[in-house]
Amino acid sequence: AQSVTQLDSQVPVFEEAPVELRCNYSSSVSVYLFWYVQYPNQGLQLLLKYLSGSTLVKGINGFEAEFNKSQTSFHLRKPSVHISDTAEYFCAVSDQSGGFKTIFGAGTRLFVKA
Amino acid sequence: GAGVSQSPSNKVTEKGKDVELRCDPISGHTALYWYRQSLGQGLEFLIYFQGNSAPDKSGLPSDRFSAERTGGSVSTLTIQRTQQEDSAVYLCASSLGVGYNSPLHFGNGTRLTVT
Repeated sequence: AQSVTQLDSQVPVFEEAPVELRCNYSSSVSVYLFWYVQYPNQGLQLLLKYLSGSTLVKGINGFEAEFNKSQTSFHLRKPSVHISDTAEYFCAVSDQSGGFKTIFGAGTRLFVKA
Repeated sequence: GAGVSQSPSNKVTEKGKDVELRCDPISGHTALYWYRQSLGQGLEFLIYFQGNSAPDKSGLPSDRFSAERTGGSVSTLTIQRTQQEDSAVYLCASSLGVGYNSPLHFGNGTRLTVT
């Protein structure tokens, strides 16, 4: 069965600094990977997804993620964060062994300081 | 167009009472998911529907939890004899279908408080 581990529950960072939010997954078959974002008092929305092809995926708001099959990772990065990026970020995985249901990690709260 | 709609947005109930949570998916979305979000626990998968059938109920925490979907549209999640540990935000999501190319569209959730 698939699972997702987000290694950091909270990440504080100063505005304009780079950030990396870590995500590792467990799956025995080909996977499809997602990052979702939940801004304060809002619903979850898709940030980016990896389905196949290029391992570097670009999403909204300047975020990107890199799929690394050998390390079973899908870390999220942004070269320069803004105050408005303060939110909770969820990594998610979907694969055939799980009937393609989407399983989420515990989330990482990104807090951007001025 | 309209997004995923959940009602009520907030529900306070006494321990031992039954509650029913409703989800109206995006029109045309055949897949519907229920998740539970507790503080610091991330999103816990409960159940998903493909059409009216539920191929995977493995996430339902106990037999007090049940869900149904009728007409391939609206779904209700029912919790019987609520307990304090049921307090959480219950999220519904829908997608075009179950599969890798179908990202989820979430509702704003129902915040359930059991006193």
